[in-house]
Amino acid sequence: GENVEQHPSTLSVQEGDSAVIKCTYSDSASNYFPWYKQELGKGPQLIIDIRSNVGEKKDQRIAVTLNKTAKHFSLHITETQPEDSAVYFCAASRAAGNKLTFGGGTRVLVKP
Amino acid sequence: KAGVTQTPRYLIKTRGQQVTLSCSPISGHRSVSWYQQTPGQGLQFLFEYFSETQRNKGNFPGRFSGRQFSNSRSEMNVSTLELGDSALYLCASSPGTGSFYEQYFGPGTRLTVT
Repeated sequence: GENVEQHPSTLSVQEGDSAVIKCTYSDSASNYFPWYKQELGKGPQLIIDIRSNVGEKKDQRIAVTLNKTAKHFSLHITETQPEDSAVYFCAASRAAGNKLTFGGGTRVLVKP
Repeated sequence: KAGVTQTPRYLIKTRGQQVTLSCSPISGHRSVSWYQQTPGQGLQFLFEYFSETQRNKGNFPGRFSGRQFSNSRSEMNVSTLELGDSALYLCASSPGTGSFYEQYFGPGTRLTVT
């Protein structure tokens, strides 16, 4: 089955700096890659996703890149703010199914 | 649109008991997926229901089961609870059709087994 690895497990950045989280996946048939943000006491919130026919996608301060050949994808957060502090999860799935396989999560702390 | 709702938000049960959790998806969504979140194992897929039929299943024992009703609301049941079943149970709602499925999560039900 699919296996998704996520690094780093914790990330501390100064407010205003950039944060980068990287994920690798094993199933070459995976072609949908969402990112979720989870705050304390809440469910995961979909923040951005990318599909296999796209190499990069941006939404304001957030961007995701995908390298299908190398089977890895990354989340980039620019100009970080204290409210970006949360746990971030990457995931992968095949288009044909609804099963998401998640990475282990990255705890991001933005220091003011 | 209202988001995904899950009830109850918190539950405390004793080993050997059974429990039923409920999920109401976003209006118009026909697919509901269930996930278990624990500190040790992370987020793991349990199963997915679409149009009242189980469409996908994860690697959990048969003590974990679910169903979906004609209004797309879903329930999951865990029988003969074990201490290791303590977790946050999340349901995710999606349209369920088309090439790619965006899943939207509810707040979860925190189950504690003592």
